[in-house]
Amino acid sequence: DAGITQSPRHKVTETGTPVTLRCHQTENHRYMYWYRQDPGHGLRLIHYSYGVKDTDKGEVSDGYSVSRSKTEDFLLTLESATSSQTSVYFCAIRKTGTGDNNSPLHFGNGTRLTVT
Amino acid sequence: QKEVEQNSGPLSVPEGAIASLNCTYSDRGSQSFFWYRQYSGKSPELIMFIYSNGDKEDGRFTAQLNKASQYVSLLIRDSQPSDSATYLCAVKVTGTASKLTFGTGTRLQVTL
Repeated sequence: DAGITQSPRHKVTETGTPVTLRCHQTENHRYMYWYRQDPGHGLRLIHYSYGVKDTDKGEVSDGYSVSRSKTEDFLLTLESATSSQTSVYFCAIRKTGTGDNNSPLHFGNGTRLTVT
Repeated sequence: QKEVEQNSGPLSVPEGAIASLNCTYSDRGSQSFFWYRQYSGKSPELIMFIYSNGDKEDGRFTAQLNKASQYVSLLIRDSQPSDSATYLCAVKVTGTASKLTFGTGTRLQVTL
């Protein structure tokens, strides 16, 4: 599982409520990513981080914010959840230290979020 | 045009046959290419990656890259029922902080 833990694994919430998903890694890798996966769209990048307090937007960042106050934790927040944010959310890391900028991503087990 | 395109399938092959999965990409600046396997309800797991034109083999899997034609393929030899899954193609464009762009995946069914 590449040392990645996502929590919670499942969550049901109501429209308009805030939701925070957590991604925790045990190996101190610099790069971390949040993707969402929806039928017909595949995996789409929401936000990513390249270090503590260093984050940037992906292709579907509207309605989401992130924070990275420690190397091991990357939080994804839906400030006011909408039904369109019902999805499966995956956190990923790029294992650094190999000297290879082209190294692949490794994914956590995902969080299934349902917004009613 | 999507940046990374895959036929959604399902692609059905008999056990023991070769499965051929294809992926095309639009950005000529793409420099590295990845194949992931995803079982239903599970997370994507890396199968192979390829950077250079030509073939790269790993066990029953062969990745093929043709940058001039902008396609990458995955061959699975001696297909097994356990290979039944969705296969995701992902592409990294130069200078994009290792952000991967994914295709929507091809569902493979290996029949007995």
